[in-house]
Amino acid sequence: DGGITQSPKYLFRKEGQNVTLSCEQNLNHDAMYWYRQDPGQGLRLIYYSQIVNDFQKGDIAEGYSVSREKKESFPLTVTSAQKNPTAFYLCASSPLARNGGELFFGEGSRLTVL
Amino acid sequence: GESVGLHLPTLSVQEGDNSIINCAYSNSASDYFIWYKQESGKGPQFIIDIRSNMDKRQGQRVTVLLNKTVKHLSLQIAATQPGDSAVYFCAETLIFSGGGADGLTFGKGTHLIIQP
Repeated sequence: DGGITQSPKYLFRKEGQNVTLSCEQNLNHDAMYWYRQDPGQGLRLIYYSQIVNDFQKGDIAEGYSVSREKKESFPLTVTSAQKNPTAFYLCASSPLARNGGELFFGEGSRLTVL
Repeated sequence: GESVGLHLPTLSVQEGDNSIINCAYSNSASDYFIWYKQESGKGPQFIIDIRSNMDKRQGQRVTVLLNKTVKHLSLQIAATQPGDSAVYFCAETLIFSGGGADGLTFGKGTHLIIQP
């Protein structure tokens, strides 16, 4: 089945460690996105990519990094520079490369910093 | 940037009743709106969308209304069922006006609770 797969679903990290969240899609979508969700809050955009080997910062990119070496993959690294990394992270993709549109979401990854 | 907000954080309705979830958006240039449903611990799922050249769109048991004059969006769910319990988000973007390449702007969400 086509879709977006995020892994791991749950992740625990010690302070000072970098962690990488995986996002893979087999929908042949050009655009991919990473959002952060905190309790009682809407989704906030971290990074997005419209094409392979290119990505742009979103509203809250500080402390995060991404890569887009393949069309189907868009991993997110939460670095030790991120001051409050505990959150629910959502990856999404869209068939429209240039403009935003309907987003297809993965099931999310919950990161907890101990 | 401008944000999309919701009037109520929690809405409780009786099973079988109709639900109305409201959303106020602030970017008058937005031309495409989506409602998402998010169940606990899962990613948001698309429910219905509407373009700014429409004021109403119907799906299966759901209707979205758009009032551009007052920048208001609503989601109506008919004959609510237990499976409708979730957080509902509205989202906006500029899709047909040459902007919006950075995806959607989301509201904070309304938690719909279905009482038996």
